[in-house]
Amino acid sequence: SAVISQKPSRDICQRGTSLTIQCQVDSQVTMMFWYRQQPGQSLTLIATANQGSEATYESGFVIDKFPISRPNLTFSTLTVSNMSPEDSSIYLCSVRLGGAGNGEYFGPGTRLTVT
Amino acid sequence: AQSVTQPDIHITVSEGASLELRCNYSYGATPYLFWYVQSPGQGLQLLLKYFSGDTLVQGIKGFEAEFKRSQSSFNLRKPSVHWSDAAEYFCAVGGDYKLSFGAGTTVTVRA
Repeated sequence: SAVISQKPSRDICQRGTSLTIQCQVDSQVTMMFWYRQQPGQSLTLIATANQGSEATYESGFVIDKFPISRPNLTFSTLTVSNMSPEDSSIYLCSVRLGGAGNGEYFGPGTRLTVT
Repeated sequence: AQSVTQPDIHITVSEGASLELRCNYSYGATPYLFWYVQSPGQGLQLLLKYFSGDTLVQGIKGFEAEFKRSQSSFNLRKPSVHWSDAAEYFCAVGGDYKLSFGAGTTVTVRA
């Protein structure tokens, strides 16, 4: 497995502002992912963070709203831009170690509340 | 398209009793299948996984799951639950690209 940390663990933000969430892994990984988990719901994939190129976004998520950086194989950031109360969620990063059959390993999540 | 259905939103079980959580999937080829657990305020922890081989797979914390291709199912079981098993459980299916998660089943354990 891998040790994955996220910062911040939680935050309360005002609408219209932006928040950048950091994800750090203790080993080099090719595949990193960002998910959103709205209150009481399952996980929805936002994007795959690609090292050295633009992130690959899922349907319904756009780069202007959720810009992602992946400067190296151990680190990624997700920014939630121009926030509204609907963005209140838990944001999780995950990594894949080895092949797809190994599954994904998740960070502890960032709990975001937008007021 | 890939998808996962967890028919049970909430299950209550007595401590020491057996537990079975249902998962049905839709996937065009042989899928990768996973079960994750999320305790309150925590991230997701991988319980077990299946890709090929023996259709009964053992995981951590005493959990096991059985893959049944004919039923497109991957049900999770535990013979005797502990109070610490109270959590949200997610089934996931995927291929080489991404995972899709079910809606989750909340497990409550009563003394």
